Amino acid sequence: AQSVTQPDIHITVSEGASLELRCNYSYGATPYLFWYVQSPGQGLQLLLKYFSGDTLVQGIKGFEAEFKRSQSSFNLRKPSVHWSDAAEYFCAVGAGTGGFKTIFGAGTRLFVKA
Amino acid sequence: DAMVIQNPRYQVTQFGKPVTLSCSQTLNHNVMYWYQQKSSQAPKLLFHYYDKDFNNEADTPDNFQSRRPNTSFCFLDIRSPGLGDAAMYLCATSRVGQGPQPQHFGDGTRLSIL
Repeated sequence: AQSVTQPDIHITVSEGASLELRCNYSYGATPYLFWYVQSPGQGLQLLLKYFSGDTLVQGIKGFEAEFKRSQSSFNLRKPSVHWSDAAEYFCAVGAGTGGFKTIFGAGTRLFVKA
Repeated sequence: DAMVIQNPRYQVTQFGKPVTLSCSQTLNHNVMYWYQQKSSQAPKLLFHYYDKDFNNEADTPDNFQSRRPNTSFCFLDIRSPGLGDAAMYLCATSRVGQGPQPQHFGDGTRLSIL
């Protein structure tokens, strides 16, 4: 069955420190992978996507993610976290007939301490 | 800026009283989605429209209906809201392409049931 696992419910990092959010997926075909961010009381915003090609993808706000097929992972990274990065982060895989069903992970809430 | 707009941002209704949430888009995307998101959970897809073609998720309760009168607008109707329907409702859009496409989200409508 198709699924997305984000092992960390929440993570706390210091401002300026590096960040890595973990994501593992289960999908039979070539996955279409996404990372979204959700600030409190708002909708989701796309950070980056992976469809094919270079396994290291760059996104907005200084984020990047690396696709590792052998590990079924798509971890999100940022070298230096800013206080404004505090939010909920969702990893997702596109699925379903026509690709119209997105399967989201449960999310990781990021806290940033001064 | 092209965007997805949801109205109202906050909606309060009474138990069993029908309610309609609205979504409009200026992106001219073919696909529109409705998600239900409960606190600290991932968004759950209720249904989507591909143009006028309506696609219901198998586990979406019959209490939830949708209308898409034109490309720009989509409505979510909850016929007899129960306490369990209190949630954030997110509208999203996407274009159609080769494989799953990124989705563009509105800021959501938070629904409370009295």
